[in-house]
Amino acid sequence: EAGVAQSPRYKIIEKRQSVAFWCNPISGHATLYWYQQILGQGPKLLIQFQNNGVVDDSQLPKDRFSAERLKGVDSTLKIQPAKLEDSAVYLCASSANPGGVTSYNEQFFGPGTRLTVL
Amino acid sequence: DQQVKQNSPSLSVQEGRISILNCDYTNSMFDYFLWYKKYPAEGPTFLISISSIKDKNEDGRFTVFLNKSAKHLSLHIVPSQPGDSAVYFCAASIMDSSYKLIFGSGTRLLVRP
Repeated sequence: EAGVAQSPRYKIIEKRQSVAFWCNPISGHATLYWYQQILGQGPKLLIQFQNNGVVDDSQLPKDRFSAERLKGVDSTLKIQPAKLEDSAVYLCASSANPGGVTSYNEQFFGPGTRLTVL
Repeated sequence: DQQVKQNSPSLSVQEGRISILNCDYTNSMFDYFLWYKKYPAEGPTFLISISSIKDKNEDGRFTVFLNKSAKHLSLHIVPSQPGDSAVYFCAASIMDSSYKLIFGSGTRLLVRP
């Protein structure tokens, strides 16, 4: 089974430029997540999609970040304009629909995109 | 507001010995706890989980213990192997919060041969 794919793996841009990341989740997974992981910290959820609808974007800086999930499959995350503090690894994850009251929701992560903003 | 805390940034143990990684949380509404393992240049991979209604879950060399009264969980690796060297993240979720995972800051484990 193919895992979560992300591209590019690395990106270096200057501040105020724009950048976009792409994610292809595991086939059949309805839920897709974008996380930001700053060096020395754990992943922080930016946005969660269920199929092509947004479930949670409470921590997405909407003045500069946007995300969409086309046809409930692939997703893109965009930053425009980028700031120095956006330097981080951007992780995409996917999961099957959450189970019942006794189950948890295992998320499968892609390798991430390391963004450096100069 | 750090709801999940891993206070030890790093841990070094000898091969064959026990590794104990700790995690504290503040939100009593968490109903599942998970441990993820991360190698450099890779995404985190799921390791083991525990429901809040249990106090222990074991999977091979990995055991997670949950102490709800202390809001503390720990991951035990016995025996530790050099291939276990990685960053370990503790994460917690609330079922009614869209199963969102809240991660700790991670502990880097080094297993010395």
